[in-house]
Amino acid sequence: GNSVTQMEGPVTLSEEAFLTINCTYTATGYPSLFWYVQYPGEGLQLLLKATKADDKGSNKGFEATYRKETTSFHLEKGSVQVSDSAVYFCALSDTSGGSNYKLTFGKGTLLTVNP
Amino acid sequence: DARVTQTPRDKVTEMGQEVTMRCQPILGHNTVFWYRQTMMQGLELLAYFRNRAPLDDSGMPKDRFSAEMPDATLATLKIQPSEPRDSAVYFCASGFGGGATDTQYFGPGTRLTVL
Repeated sequence: GNSVTQMEGPVTLSEEAFLTINCTYTATGYPSLFWYVQYPGEGLQLLLKATKADDKGSNKGFEATYRKETTSFHLEKGSVQVSDSAVYFCALSDTSGGSNYKLTFGKGTLLTVNP
Repeated sequence: DARVTQTPRDKVTEMGQEVTMRCQPILGHNTVFWYRQTMMQGLELLAYFRNRAPLDDSGMPKDRFSAEMPDATLATLKIQPSEPRDSAVYFCASGFGGGATDTQYFGPGTRLTVL
């Protein structure tokens, strides 16, 4: 079956530090990969996505590259801000099941950025 | 800015009572998802609808949970009877297309506490 493993949190950084949140996956088909972010008290919202190998998704200074050879989709940001404090979820959507699909989420990583 | 809305935002009830959660998907979206979020299990997919038809409810305890879409603007998730282990945040999400690369748009969630 499909699964997503992301690094355990919490992660605490100082403002302007470099961020990496690791994510690896197992999938039976050819998945699309996503990072969703959940700010306190809110629902999840899409941060970025990549739909095929070697694609790079980017948004708001965050980047992640779809690495098929290492089955990874690590999230990076060069300089974090206090406003980036949130829970980050890695997810995959597998296309092998035909037209029906569903997202498989990792457990989430809590990021706290201190001023 | 179109958003998914969910009601109620918070619900406290006693064991054995019926609970109904409502979701209004974004106008024009044809897929609806119900998720449950707990600290222990993370995000779990409970049910998935496309064009109001249920496509997957394998994640839902069938004996007490039911999900319906009476019309395109309303999705409901009902628990009867509720149990303390149902305490969680329940998210509704909507999307368009039903493809593996599509974005899901999440509502703010309903926080359910069963005493």
